[in-house]
Amino acid sequence: AQKITQTQPGMFVQEKEAVTLDCTYDTSDPSYGLFWYKQPSSGEMIFLIYQGSYDQQNATEGRYSLNFQKARKSANLVISASQLGDSAMYFCAMRPLGGDYKLSFGAGTTVTVRA
Amino acid sequence: GAVVSQHPSRVICKSGTSVKIECRSLDFQATTMFWYRQFPKQSLMLMATSNEGSKATYEQGVEKDKFLINHASLTLSTLTVTSAHPEDSSFYICSARGQLGEQYFGPGTRLTVT
Repeated sequence: AQKITQTQPGMFVQEKEAVTLDCTYDTSDPSYGLFWYKQPSSGEMIFLIYQGSYDQQNATEGRYSLNFQKARKSANLVISASQLGDSAMYFCAMRPLGGDYKLSFGAGTTVTVRA
Repeated sequence: GAVVSQHPSRVICKSGTSVKIECRSLDFQATTMFWYRQFPKQSLMLMATSNEGSKATYEQGVEKDKFLINHASLTLSTLTVTSAHPEDSSFYICSARGQLGEQYFGPGTRLTVT
């Protein structure tokens, strides 16, 4: 079984600044994938970034980067140059590679970007 | 590519009635779809895994007679909330599994039971 922990229920960030969203996980699977999703108030789940447990380099996608520290079992999301449109709920998720493909989600962090 | 639709996007129904929610993969075939439930300000909770041509696999604590899932084709899974009650009011989201195991999410359906 996997467990995802997001300890920050809500965060405020000033426009154009960077923000780091924490995510730690626990799993007994030897290989797994880590995901971050954005959920704006409309409710749609928007995929942001993916990190495989065997990937040597941290994933980056535009303004999103994933700070993956395997030994510490953490996969923090960094959003650089925050924009007002970044205000949303952010979920960290993981699943084992192979098997039933089920995703386990963290509790989420609400980010509010201030002008 | 990889678009998943849900219908309806919003539904209001009276207590005791049944509601059907459709999840479609528009441009790919999905042998596996997932149904989630989300309460306000909370995380997504997996309800069941829907497999084309076979019975759905329900997560612990989810009543399979209450939440009927049918995955009759490679592009359509349906969730029927039977005899809905106000406590069933929630946001229901489906996802479809792609070839590499990734999940593509639908836009969600907001159910309100009065």
